[in-house]
Amino acid sequence: AQSVTQLGSHVSVSEGALVLLRCNYSSSVPPYLFWYVQYPNQGLQLLLKYTTGATLVKGINGFEAEFKKSETSFHLTKPSAHMSDAAEYFCAVTSSSGGYQKVTFGIGTKLQVIP
Amino acid sequence: DSGVTQTPKHLITATGQRVTLRCSPRSGDLSVYWYQQSLDQGLQFLIQYYNGEERAKGNILERFSAQQFPDLHSELNLSSLELGDSALYFCASSVTSGVSYNEQFFGPGTRLTVL
Repeated sequence: AQSVTQLGSHVSVSEGALVLLRCNYSSSVPPYLFWYVQYPNQGLQLLLKYTTGATLVKGINGFEAEFKKSETSFHLTKPSAHMSDAAEYFCAVTSSSGGYQKVTFGIGTKLQVIP
Repeated sequence: DSGVTQTPKHLITATGQRVTLRCSPRSGDLSVYWYQQSLDQGLQFLIQYYNGEERAKGNILERFSAQQFPDLHSELNLSSLELGDSALYFCASSVTSGVSYNEQFFGPGTRLTVL
């Protein structure tokens, strides 16, 4: 079984401040981890993903995430928030099961950026 | 633009009715996934098809059904609609079925309102 926990359904930061969105996962097999972003009235799009290798993963728009196996975490960070970062962010864990890709999404974290 | 198209964008209907949502995957993608996104349930996986065959079922109600056609487009049929079925319905596609590290590409969604 696999699961994803995103701490904080709403996060507010000031423009220029550090963005930290938390994600903890549970998986019985080595996980593949993803962060997706959903802008208002749009579908989800991939920010970044961890498969194997380097545990610090860089994505689009200046975001990055670090896979920490010992903490079962995959937190998303960005050094300086921009107004355009206001969106909902989803952490997801995937595995192969019976020939299909099983994806479990977290509940999402809405990021508000305050001018 | 993810390359995944969904029609219609908005759908307003009455309780007890039946609707069909349509999805065209990215060119070359064989897998299609359907998700329901609502305020109280978050993003829920409904069903997956791969090259015309059903591969996995998630939290899909018996009143809902789907199929994938030879040209790889997919339709999600929702019948005996209830107020609680009001939600955003997303289609996503990926290249393969069982490979865990492949990202999914999401369409813009169909917003269903049941009155």
